[in-house]
Amino acid sequence: GESVGLHLPTLSVQEGDNSIINCAYSNSASDYFIWYKQESGKGPQFIIDIRSNMDKRQGQRVTVLLNKTVKHLSLQIAATQPGDSAVYFCAENFSRGSTLGRLYFGRGTQLTVWP
Amino acid sequence: DSGVTQTPKHLITATGQRVTLRCSPRSGDLSVYWYQQSLDQGLQFLIQYYNGEERAKGNILERFSAQQFPDLHSELNLSSLELGDSALYFCASSVGGGGSGETQYFGPGTRLLVL
Repeated sequence: GESVGLHLPTLSVQEGDNSIINCAYSNSASDYFIWYKQESGKGPQFIIDIRSNMDKRQGQRVTVLLNKTVKHLSLQIAATQPGDSAVYFCAENFSRGSTLGRLYFGRGTQLTVWP
Repeated sequence: DSGVTQTPKHLITATGQRVTLRCSPRSGDLSVYWYQQSLDQGLQFLIQYYNGEERAKGNILERFSAQQFPDLHSELNLSSLELGDSALYFCASSVGGGGSGETQYFGPGTRLLVL
């Protein structure tokens, strides 16, 4: 029978190009944001994070941009490689009382890098 | 490798049964988090333990329970299993109590299939 699943947004890029993955978050009170990468059959792997008092943070080949005005987060990957192919999740955290430590994950974006 | 270990990697069982999933956090981490990943719901927070005590609770069913032991490993118990409980179950750990800005590192997950 047909399976119904979570239809992920997809992004296909050529090796060597830059990739931009976008995420809209839900809570204006969120104060910490994280990007995770999940390869098939593996657990989410931390890529980069940013606090709400910043609007940009750079890592190795990755940059995260935060726009609190429109509640938008983006992950830029420079010189995308085949090993970057995975599902990318953004997650938000707002540490208030009973929600302390809880991460709220977006639906994810499937990135495919072709040679 | 995140340093978080989970066993078993795969679990196949029947409806109505009970299973226990095990997680060992990274060395030095005091918090353990459990998440469920299903096709239709994405990654959902279940529960957090900090230094042996329940710290935060999410979308965890009453049929599910967890605990954290003095050596900081954690177990997630799933009982009266239903077909809809089939999912990937991830454990994550962090160094402190889960305050904002604390990175959670994920294990490889346990894939549960209920037949």
